[in-house]
Amino acid sequence: AQSVTQLGSHVSVSEGALVLLRCNYSSSVPPYLFWYVQYPNQGLQLLLKYTSAATLVKGINGFEAEFKKSETSFHLTKPSAHMSDAAEYFCAVSVPYNNNDMRFGAGTRLTVKP
Amino acid sequence: SQTIHQWPATLVQPVGSPLSLECTVEGTSNPNLYWYRQAAGRGLQLLFYSVGIGQISSEVPQNLSASRPQDRQFILSSKKLLLSDSGFYLCAWTSSYNEQFFGPGTRLTVL
Repeated sequence: AQSVTQLGSHVSVSEGALVLLRCNYSSSVPPYLFWYVQYPNQGLQLLLKYTSAATLVKGINGFEAEFKKSETSFHLTKPSAHMSDAAEYFCAVSVPYNNNDMRFGAGTRLTVKP
Repeated sequence: SQTIHQWPATLVQPVGSPLSLECTVEGTSNPNLYWYRQAAGRGLQLLFYSVGIGQISSEVPQNLSASRPQDRQFILSSKKLLLSDSGFYLCAWTSSYNEQFFGPGTRLTVL
């Protein structure tokens, strides 16, 4: 079965600095990949998704991620962190034609320092 | 547009009491529906999913059950809550590209 590993349970950056949240996946077939954000006591909100089209995916709030098959990675980046980016971020993987087997990473908590 | 509702938003229940959490989806037909639990500081654990009315699949053995009495209604239940049932419960539905859309969640505290 497919899986994802998020490297780093906590990441801290200064406001205005680059945000880099790491995600590596494992899948026996070409995967679909997702990044979600969760603010305290709220549900998960989709930031962006990769579904086998362009490998550089742009999402909401200035985030983007690049699918790199050779590295089995799907890292999330944002050029300049904002205080409002502080949240928990989840990487997830699924496979085409199987809606019922989405696997989530353990999450990375992003802290933004003023 | 599609929306997903969950209630209640928060719940405090004594050990041994029953539980009923409700999830409803608007703006779509025949969605796949999911219940997840998120323990403090941990990722998401899939509890149940449903591909149609009356069709429930359980992912892990547990103290909870799920039902789908209507196309866009998904209920999570327990006859007797345990302390370990505390957590943040999330309902979700899925689109054609497998992306899942999540409800606002229910914070359950079992005392």
